[in-house]
Amino acid sequence: EDQVTQSPEALRLQEGESSSLNCSYTVSGLRGLFWYRQDPGKGPEFLFTLYSAGEEKEKERLKATLTKKESFLHITAPKPEDSATYLCAASLYGNKLVFGAGTILRVKS
Amino acid sequence: NAGVTQTPKFQVLKTGQSMTLQCAQDMNHNSMYWYRQDPGMGLRLIYYSASEGTTDKGEVPNGYNVSRLNKREFSLRLESAAPSQTSVYFCASSGRTGNNQPQHFGDGTRLSIL
Repeated sequence: EDQVTQSPEALRLQEGESSSLNCSYTVSGLRGLFWYRQDPGKGPEFLFTLYSAGEEKEKERLKATLTKKESFLHITAPKPEDSATYLCAASLYGNKLVFGAGTILRVKS
Repeated sequence: NAGVTQTPKFQVLKTGQSMTLQCAQDMNHNSMYWYRQDPGMGLRLIYYSASEGTTDKGEVPNGYNVSRLNKREFSLRLESAAPSQTSVYFCASSGRTGNNQPQHFGDGTRLSIL
């Protein structure tokens, strides 16, 4: 069964305190790994797509990396506006996505 | 630049009532999707439409029907609502299926069934 697991479920950081979110996956035929950001009351907003092990992508304070079994979202010197739920999803054949349950990030000033 | 628009934003139904959730996209995307999001669980695919004129079941299709009205619009219908269908429903769209393009989401419909 295709499965995506995110950890931790929730993370509290002080402003400027760097950390990483984990997304582990067990799927057949991974075609890509997506990261999304979701703010309360809103739909998921696309951040990154990673296609192969070793690939990295960056956007402002966020950097996503991919291995054969997991992906990490590294947050460097976070700010309160980075507070959100971060979702990862494995892309399978037919552009179907299998989502993890998400990590709720809170950054306090 | 609206992207994906969902209506209504909120709805309360009684058990057994029927309802249609509407979704429209203005990005000229071929593929459209309906998901539900429940606390502690990831988004789960209900139905999808790879292209105009086609629809397929996803992970949790029971109790739902869909219609791909045209390239822009994809509706989700609950024929006889049940409390277990209380959830937040998201519509998404993407470019041609199989090209691994990101899905773009609307802001959801919050549905409560009493």
